[in-house]
Amino acid sequence: AQKVTQAQTEISVVEKEDVTLDCVYETRDTTYYLFWYKQPPSGELVFLIRRNSFDEQNEISGRYSWNFQKSTSSFNFTITASQVVDSAVYFCALSEGSNSGYALNFGKGTSLLVTP
Amino acid sequence: DVKVTQSSRYLVKRTGEKVFLECVQDMDHENMFWYRQDPGLGLRLIYFSYDVKMKEKGDIPEGYSVSREKKERFSLILESASTNQTSMYLCASSSRTGATDTQYFGPGTRLTVL
Repeated sequence: AQKVTQAQTEISVVEKEDVTLDCVYETRDTTYYLFWYKQPPSGELVFLIRRNSFDEQNEISGRYSWNFQKSTSSFNFTITASQVVDSAVYFCALSEGSNSGYALNFGKGTSLLVTP
Repeated sequence: DVKVTQSSRYLVKRTGEKVFLECVQDMDHENMFWYRQDPGLGLRLIYFSYDVKMKEKGDIPEGYSVSREKKERFSLILESASTNQTSMYLCASSSRTGATDTQYFGPGTRLTVL
């Protein structure tokens, strides 16, 4: 069963628009970690954020912000005033405390296209 | 900065060939991972290793093997390449201390099997 669901396959916005990428996860563990990665056209996955299950505070980093809500099992990512350089595939991922291999469960990704 | 490098960005091989994909990390990380990425399927874990000479199967190990003789190097081996192994291969590493599950990725190898 898919543990991380990114329902939006592709999103297209015009520069300067705000955009939210959705991520819903599923786990029975009480200790877990959530991640977002960015994959630009060059192919390399770039780590953006790690959030543990005990910290529901929202996080802001420049134009990026993350909304973690345990009640809805969601960890959504918002880009404010999007730019062309934000065009990439974005992956949400889950690491469960019971997984001794520290392997990540990835969602299938959301492809974001920002046009001028 | 964490640096994960992969031996090739692009590789073209023929069906039946033995293929080696190399990954090297310079952060003294204990854990290393191999994923393949396919359109519509996301990233799927092939194998991972949490120590030298140790390996664990991931979700799709069939047709692959791995080797970890040194801490910094993790190799993925396709014993007899097939066309359905045409894919993007991504290597990652993570530490066993601190944020143990934050994985850092290499640039990827796009493999085409003809």
